[in-house]
Amino acid sequence: GNSVTQMEGPVTLSEEAFLTINCTYTATGYPSLFWYVQYPGEGLQLLLKATKADDKGSNKGFEATYRKETTSFHLEKGSVQVSDSAVYFCALSGQETSGSRLTFGEGTQLTVNP
Amino acid sequence: KAGVTQTPRYLIKTRGQQVTLSCSPISGHRSVSWYQQTPGQGLQFLFEYFSETQRNKGNFPGRFSGRQFSNSRSEMNVSTLELGDSALYLCASRPTAVWDTQYFGPGTRLTVL
Repeated sequence: GNSVTQMEGPVTLSEEAFLTINCTYTATGYPSLFWYVQYPGEGLQLLLKATKADDKGSNKGFEATYRKETTSFHLEKGSVQVSDSAVYFCALSGQETSGSRLTFGEGTQLTVNP
Repeated sequence: KAGVTQTPRYLIKTRGQQVTLSCSPISGHRSVSWYQQTPGQGLQFLFEYFSETQRNKGNFPGRFSGRQFSNSRSEMNVSTLELGDSALYLCASRPTAVWDTQYFGPGTRLTVL
């Protein structure tokens, strides 16, 4: 079945540092890949997505590239801010015939200190 | 457009009781999915409804059920509550034309005592 593995957290950075959160996946076919962010006490917000190999998703300074050869979708940001502190989830959505079920990674807690 | 709304936001129940949670999708979205989030198991898919029909179901016991109404609003029900059912229950909706992207509500925090 489908699975997603994220780097173990938590991750603590200083403001303006470079961020990488690793994500690898196992899936049949050609899944769509996502990063969601969850702020304390809230639901999940879609951060970015990519639907095919070599696609780059980007939003609010965050980027991730769909790498089929390495089955990865690492999240990067060049300069983090305190307001980026949250939990980040990598996820995949399988083939359309299986519905739109999302499979999530474990989540990575990011703390950015001023 | 208003986002996905879930009611209630917080709920406290005791073991053995049952509970019903409600979700209103984004206007025009006909697909609604439910997920359970716990510290131990993470985010797990419960089920998906589309046009009042269950399309997909996760690996949860029969105590977990759901339904969808003609206006796309959805409810999920958990009967005979157990302590392990304490979780954040998240509802998500997606537009019909985009099969893979889901938009989440704020969740209902259920505590079972």
